Amino acid sequence: SQKIEQNSEALNIQEGKTATLTCNYTNYSPAYLQWYRQDPGRGPVFLLLIRENEKEKRKERLKVTFDTTLKQSLFHITASQPADSATYLCALSYGGATNKLIFGTGTLLAVQP
Amino acid sequence: SQTIHQWPATLVQPVGSPLSLECTVEGTSNPNLYWYRQAAGRGLQLLFYSVGIGQISSEVPQNLSASRPQDRQFILSSKKLLLSDSGFYLCAWSRDTGNYGYTFGSGTRLTVV
Repeated sequence: SQKIEQNSEALNIQEGKTATLTCNYTNYSPAYLQWYRQDPGRGPVFLLLIRENEKEKRKERLKVTFDTTLKQSLFHITASQPADSATYLCALSYGGATNKLIFGTGTLLAVQP
Repeated sequence: SQTIHQWPATLVQPVGSPLSLECTVEGTSNPNLYWYRQAAGRGLQLLFYSVGIGQISSEVPQNLSASRPQDRQFILSSKKLLLSDSGFYLCAWSRDTGNYGYTFGSGTRLTVV
């Protein structure tokens, strides 16, 4: 079955630095990959989507890469701020037109002022 | 603009009691609808999805059921709750064509006692 792995340990970084989160997957070839932000007690919020034929996607301070050979996506937040502190979830598509997603367990990012 | 409403926000129910969680979407038509559950420290697990009125697909066998009586209404139910049904339940919608991110509701924290 498909498996998604995100670093279960919290990532602590200093304000202003670049945060890099990793998402690895196995037994699967997704058509696209998504990243979400989740704050405690809230629903996830969609951030970025990258397709299998795209290597990189950017949105403001966010950058996502997608390496289908390594089966890995990297999520970068540049010039990080304490407000970026949250859990970040990686999700892979499956099911074609049904647009179903399988989610990783997420990585908690803590940005220290 | 599109909005998604989910209620109630929290619920404490005794074992063996029934359950009904409701989710409605506004500002779009024919959305794909999803119910996910998030257990503590675990990723989001897809429970049900629907691509149209009356069309429900279950991803995992369980004590729950779902219904879609109207285009933009999705209901999660149980006749008799189990302790293992406790968790954070999230409703989400996505467009029915193309690859788009999900928009999640604010979630329902269910505690079965």
